[in-house]
Amino acid sequence: DAGVTQSPTHLIKTRGQQVTLRCSPKSGHDTVSWYQQALGQGPQFIFQYYEEEERQRGNFPDRFSGHQFPNYSSELNVNALLLGDSALYLCASSLDGVVAGNTIYFGEGSWLTVV
Amino acid sequence: AQSVTQLGSHVSVSEGALVLLRCNYSSSVPPYLFWYVQYPNQGLQLLLKYTSAATLVKGINGFEAEFKKSETSFHLTKPSAHMSDAAEYFCAVRKNTGFQKLVFGTGTRLLVSP
Repeated sequence: DAGVTQSPTHLIKTRGQQVTLRCSPKSGHDTVSWYQQALGQGPQFIFQYYEEEERQRGNFPDRFSGHQFPNYSSELNVNALLLGDSALYLCASSLDGVVAGNTIYFGEGSWLTVV
Repeated sequence: AQSVTQLGSHVSVSEGALVLLRCNYSSSVPPYLFWYVQYPNQGLQLLLKYTSAATLVKGINGFEAEFKKSETSFHLTKPSAHMSDAAEYFCAVRKNTGFQKLVFGTGTRLLVSP
């Protein structure tokens, strides 16, 4: 059973460019969340997708957008990249709801460097 | 609103010594609490979770944590450190209702010396 998979693992972009990161959730999971982890910091919640809709958003500008597909996979898009967007972007998947047994699983992340 | 405070950005122990990583939380509703571990250049792996059942929670790799409501704490312990325990540890909190957003602390780097 594959866990949460993310691509690409590393990428370098120039300021002002746009980037798309991809995530496939763990088999059977329908909810995908994205987190940004800056160097030396804890992960920060960006947004969550369920049933192809964004249903909760953290304190991130509109330059950050996403999408969820019918197969539950997801993309994170960041426009007009800034140097401060350099970070590890983590995808997390889970089953909807807050049943005690619902664990949130994380992927290995995508390292984005903006130069 | 919920928040987590991890005391000590770095903790150093000798191999075989007790590991104690501190986490205090703030939550307006009963929380679920988690400890995740992150090895260099990797994602997050769940160590253990508290979801309002037993207050003493046992996790993987010999780690355990105790939920203490009166102290709003969820400290992580391991009786005997191993070199392979060297990593970054994150405490996280989420509400026990509604959306599954995790709020993380800033992390504690555990250093283990021979």
